Amino acid sequence: ETGVTQTPRHLVMGMTNKKSLKCEQHLGHNAMYWYKQSAKKPLELMFVYNFKEQTENNSVPSRFSPECPNSSHLFLHLHTLQPEDSALYLCASSSESGAGGELFFGEGSRLTVL
Amino acid sequence: GQSLEQPSEVTAVEGAIVQINCTYQTSGFYGLSWYQQHDGGAPTFLSYNALDGLEETGRFSSFLSRSDSYGYLLLQELQMKDSASYFCAVRNDYKLSFGAGTTVTVRA
Repeated sequence: ETGVTQTPRHLVMGMTNKKSLKCEQHLGHNAMYWYKQSAKKPLELMFVYNFKEQTENNSVPSRFSPECPNSSHLFLHLHTLQPEDSALYLCASSSESGAGGELFFGEGSRLTVL
Repeated sequence: GQSLEQPSEVTAVEGAIVQINCTYQTSGFYGLSWYQQHDGGAPTFLSYNALDGLEETGRFSSFLSRSDSYGYLLLQELQMKDSASYFCAVRNDYKLSFGAGTTVTVRA
């Protein structure tokens, strides 16, 4: 495996469900990110982890809960979501928090909330 | 906070040249990046400008003017495979903030 891998690629859940998105990077990077991508809108930064420590929480609702057990893995735990949370959730990694402006993205998890 | 402005759509024919402009407002500016995203795919890094001037990488070039808070991505010798969304992003300290993206459609 190389690069950034996200699972599942597609997820459909009801508003009362609990699910998790998983991200794994095989690049030896120290920083990992969650972004939300909705149609025709900028990518929205949700969380940043640098050396496993959360350095950014961009006013994200508590129904999204990140977890970074080590510098290679990042999770996004989801519970009691709303239909407007339906979007593509992208994980990314970089060396030293975006040095050189280059992030490596996974292909995303397409979330649909019914 | 940060704000970035870029055109929403551009259409051009194969072989043409397209310039995508990006203006930004931010504090603590480190540099301007460009990303390409095909439908259903991951955003992929194209270029990064930390200093004023033009950076050329094959058919794609990127320009930055820090004094004008402005940059552009130049796509030359357009090919069908260049049909995609292109995002500018400003690096501010330890994070990247993205524009809404420009959809480039290449016609035969």
